[in-house]
Amino acid sequence: DVKVTQSSRYLVKRTGEKVFLECVQDMDHENMFWYRQDPGLGLRLIYFSYDVKMKEKGDIPEGYSVSREKKERFSLILESASTNQTSMYLCASSFPSQRDQETQYFGPGTRLLVL
Amino acid sequence: DQQVKQNSPSLSVQEGRISILNCDYTNSMFDYFLWYKKYPAEGPTFLISISSIKDKNEDGRFTVFLNKSAKHLSLHIVPSQPGDSAVYFCAAVGGYQKVTFGIGTKLQVIP
Repeated sequence: DVKVTQSSRYLVKRTGEKVFLECVQDMDHENMFWYRQDPGLGLRLIYFSYDVKMKEKGDIPEGYSVSREKKERFSLILESASTNQTSMYLCASSFPSQRDQETQYFGPGTRLLVL
Repeated sequence: DQQVKQNSPSLSVQEGRISILNCDYTNSMFDYFLWYKKYPAEGPTFLISISSIKDKNEDGRFTVFLNKSAKHLSLHIVPSQPGDSAVYFCAAVGGYQKVTFGIGTKLQVIP
């Protein structure tokens, strides 16, 4: 059974703080993703990674960076949190390449509030 | 520019009846489609998928139909159950594993 865990379910941070969101998967997946979910906007891809040390920008990378030092761990970093980054953050992982395996497994989400 | 559109933000259905959730897409390069289900305070979970070479895929109470010429897919749930109440996301894959999600439709199944 695939398990994707996220370090926190809820976080409250102040504007300007550096924020780390951690994601760990236990199924040896090569692909990992960070999304944010906002009402009326659905799931939007922030960054993704196909391998250790590799990262690709998604649709809304501004204000975020990522780190993938180990295969099982993908971190999302908010260098200087702003109120418009208040959101639900979802991490996901998947097997590589095969179309019929294109299922992403999601973590439970981190609800971040930036004051 | 939304490439995957779910035009109904919400839907209410009586228990036992059919639920039909719709999704339209604009990018003809999409060749694989998925539906995810999301309960509050949980991450989305995979429900059912369909390849562009098919027009129907069935899994128990869930059936997805794909109309490529209309760039339209739909998810049918028969019979609907109260436990099906959730937000349903349509997703499309095109290019190297890039998945584009719709904004979701909130389904409420009334007992």
